Amino acid sequence: DTGVSQNPRHKITKRGQNVTFRCDPISEHNRLYWYRQTLGQGPEFLTYFQNEAQLEKSRLLSDRFSAERPKGSFSTLEIQRTEQGDSAMYLCASSAPGGRYTEAFFGQGTRLTVV
Amino acid sequence: RKEVEQDPGPFNVPEGATVAFNCTYSNSASQSFFWYRQDCRKEPKLLMSVYSSGNEDGRFTAQLNRASQYISLLIRDSKLSDSATYLCVVSSGGSYIPTFGRGTSLIVHP
Repeated sequence: DTGVSQNPRHKITKRGQNVTFRCDPISEHNRLYWYRQTLGQGPEFLTYFQNEAQLEKSRLLSDRFSAERPKGSFSTLEIQRTEQGDSAMYLCASSAPGGRYTEAFFGQGTRLTVV
Repeated sequence: RKEVEQDPGPFNVPEGATVAFNCTYSNSASQSFFWYRQDCRKEPKLLMSVYSSGNEDGRFTAQLNRASQYISLLIRDSKLSDSATYLCVVSSGGSYIPTFGRGTSLIVHP
């Protein structure tokens, strides 16, 4: 399968714990995005990488959230001291170098439940 | 005001019906426009890009009105398999980061 891969698919954690998610984009896609989606809402942008550089972060991304893409390939999203409000689907997407109509391909997401 | 606004629906239509979804965006500098489809508990997938001249792909027609900052999607001859959430997506700025609306839910019934 050469699509965007996310792990784990599901994560249940206790409030206050740290969690880390991984995203493997489609190879040679230099752009990588993280989104969060809650029930009944569209995906909300969190952060964007071009190669290894984190170029944009949403105001939604509190200090408890950090993302990395150390070698410009896979990326990790860490949430520290999780809160119940962090429960959501975390989606990763990647796109190839190109112009403004380049398609973003999504992974199947990591569903986080904070109890 | 949200950057991309859509009527969440649901739109409940019989097979064979024609249905239209609308979307408005707030950033007049937006440059790229798309419709994505999301099935229940699945990831969003590109349905079609929306070009200034409008475009058609089989039963689907998308149109853009820059003056009114408005995008539409028309589905003709609806099929049961069209049941899904349709997400309006707008990109702007040098990074072309996709910004999603909340989605419009379509239910096609027999």
